[in-house]
Amino acid sequence: AQTVTQSQPEMSVQEAETVTLSCTYDTSESDYYLFWYKQPPSRQMILVIRQEAYKQQNATENRFSVNFQKAAKSFSLKISDSQLGDAAMYFCAYRSLPGNTPLVFGKGTRLSVIA
Amino acid sequence: DAGVTQSPTHLIKTRGQQVTLRCSPKSGHDTVSWYQQALGQGPQFIFQYYEEEERQRGNFPDRFSGHQFPNYSSELNVNALLLGDSALYLCASSALQREETQYFGPGTRLLVL
Repeated sequence: AQTVTQSQPEMSVQEAETVTLSCTYDTSESDYYLFWYKQPPSRQMILVIRQEAYKQQNATENRFSVNFQKAAKSFSLKISDSQLGDAAMYFCAYRSLPGNTPLVFGKGTRLSVIA
Repeated sequence: DAGVTQSPTHLIKTRGQQVTLRCSPKSGHDTVSWYQQALGQGPQFIFQYYEEEERQRGNFPDRFSGHQFPNYSSELNVNALLLGDSALYLCASSALQREETQYFGPGTRLLVL
């Protein structure tokens, strides 16, 4: 079974600075998807970024980018120019292929942004 | 375009009771997945519905059951509630054929006393 590990329960960053959240996963599959979801206090799980394992290029969405190291099974999220609204729980998730397989989540990292 | 909606937002029940939670998927989505998120944990997969049938199931007892309607909306039923069933229940919808990302609703917070 696949597992996702987030080793940083809590992180903090100064406003406008950069922070990196870590995620490692375990799988024997070669094709899969990886995701970062953000869950603010409102509880709604919001997709931040998605990476297809067959793509070597790291995904980027505005201030959010990933460092995907397939051989090391590592998938970190970098947030640049951090804003107060970035404060939330961040979950790393894995999904197998094909079809609509369920997401496997890590335990999350709570990010605080300091003004 | 409405996103995923869930009702109710909060619910308080006592041990042994039964509860029904509801979810309406995002427009254009035909697959609904349910997750349980205990306090301080990541979501855990309960089951998934497509074409009104349960397609996949996680490691949850059969006290947890569900249903999907022809309009793709879904219900999650939990019988004989236990204190440990207290959690945030999240519904996620997606389009099976497009292998699309799962989009989540705001969740239902269930408290069992």
